[in-house]
Amino acid sequence: DSGVTQTPKHLITATGQRVTLRCSPRSGDLSVYWYQQSLDQGLQFLIQYYNGEERAKGNILERFSAQQFPDLHSELNLSSLELGDSALYFCASSALAGGQETQYFGPGTRLLVL
Amino acid sequence: QQQVKQSPQSLIVQKGGIPIINCAYENTAFDYFPWYQQFPGKGPALLIAIRPDVSEKKEGRFTISFNKSAKQFSLHIMDSQPGDSATYFCAASVMRFGAGTRLTVKP
Repeated sequence: DSGVTQTPKHLITATGQRVTLRCSPRSGDLSVYWYQQSLDQGLQFLIQYYNGEERAKGNILERFSAQQFPDLHSELNLSSLELGDSALYFCASSALAGGQETQYFGPGTRLLVL
Repeated sequence: QQQVKQSPQSLIVQKGGIPIINCAYENTAFDYFPWYQQFPGKGPALLIAIRPDVSEKKEGRFTISFNKSAKQFSLHIMDSQPGDSATYFCAASVMRFGAGTRLTVKP
């Protein structure tokens, strides 16, 4: 158990809908990362937040948005869903130890868009 | 935007063998190269990581070899076991991942 929690574990929805994925980082970790993992594209970095502020942006679509709240939990909002958005969505939190950043991944949310 | 190329895509070895997974990166600004292990239904877990000022790092049966001039690094798993069967990802920083290698270790 990494200490990172994600809800829900599974989500089935229809095209055009909007969903929210939630992530709680490990206690004390200020950074949260979101990733999308699909069969044909591996693990793709979407966005990073650090202590409530957006720190880095990757391959995140305009239909997707995220935020990190004062209690450090984060939410990833996916709107106008398309079939191709079906994937596993992971969040990770990180800690600095000995000058090295170590990431801890949550168990993921499996999204199926029908 | 694949800046880390990983090979092979899949690998099958016998128990006790030494699977080797290779990665190549493009951007010389990267300064942190982690490897992750992922079992089915689970999130990736950090296995071992290296910085470019080190040519080799060992942790238990796992070794990273790093060639800064060639911009390549590889993971070796010594005395592989069936329990090592998983998907392995290399990465450059925490934002650029390789496509993954599915390793199967046969008993």
